[in-house]
Amino acid sequence: DIQMTQSPFSLSASVGDRVTITCRASQNINNYLNWYQQKPGKAPQLLIYAASSLQSGVPSRFSGSGSGTYFTLTISSLQPEDFATYYCQRSYSIPWTFGQGTKVEIK
Amino acid sequence: EVQLVESGGGLVKPGGSLRLSCAASGFTFSNAWMSWVRQAPGKGLEWVGRIKSKTDGGTTDYAAPVKGRFTISRDDSKNTLYLQMNSLKTEDTAVYYCTTEYSSSSGQGNWFDPWGQGTLVTVSS
Repeated sequence: DIQMTQSPFSLSASVGDRVTITCRASQNINNYLNWYQQKPGKAPQLLIYAASSLQSGVPSRFSGSGSGTYFTLTISSLQPEDFATYYCQRSYSIPWTFGQGTKVEIK
Repeated sequence: EVQLVESGGGLVKPGGSLRLSCAASGFTFSNAWMSWVRQAPGKGLEWVGRIKSKTDGGTTDYAAPVKGRFTISRDDSKNTLYLQMNSLKTEDTAVYYCTTEYSSSSGQGNWFDPWGQGTLVTVSS
């Protein structure tokens, strides 16, 4: 199976900071990479699909880039409601797999 | 409004069985591919399996840890998705989410949106 490795495991940042989370695939997955946000006690929500397409209703401060084996999720200016855990997920071939998650905490 | 509501979770002993349901509304359920994703306490997300729409064959796929023990089915007349879980193990303890799996027709892959609120399954003696 294709493995997904997210980094960092966690990070502390301040409101207004630019934050970047990375996700690496163990082999080429083209642009078949999605990003989700999960807040404590809540279901995940789709942020980015196909590596760089912003889901409807998601603020434009979120952006995704990359292809092949290296992908990033960037929050251009961190807002209080963005403190959450973020997961990447590949959809190149079954079984779908998620990264380990990155917890974004308040500094 | 698109809504997915899971039910059926609870406490079950190892080796036991449980059936989860997911009631869908606000969209044409019969056309949707549906997946189950679980999350063990304090852990990350794990895809469990999926079922395609009947028009796309109605076939199922499963993750290795649950293959042969879990069965996904659907009743399009009731707009309901099911997850039959047999031979449960302690490591199956998790919140189980149902989610719509969107499959891009333009070669952009598949993604999950929206998600239900989840139902907790605890496997313990």
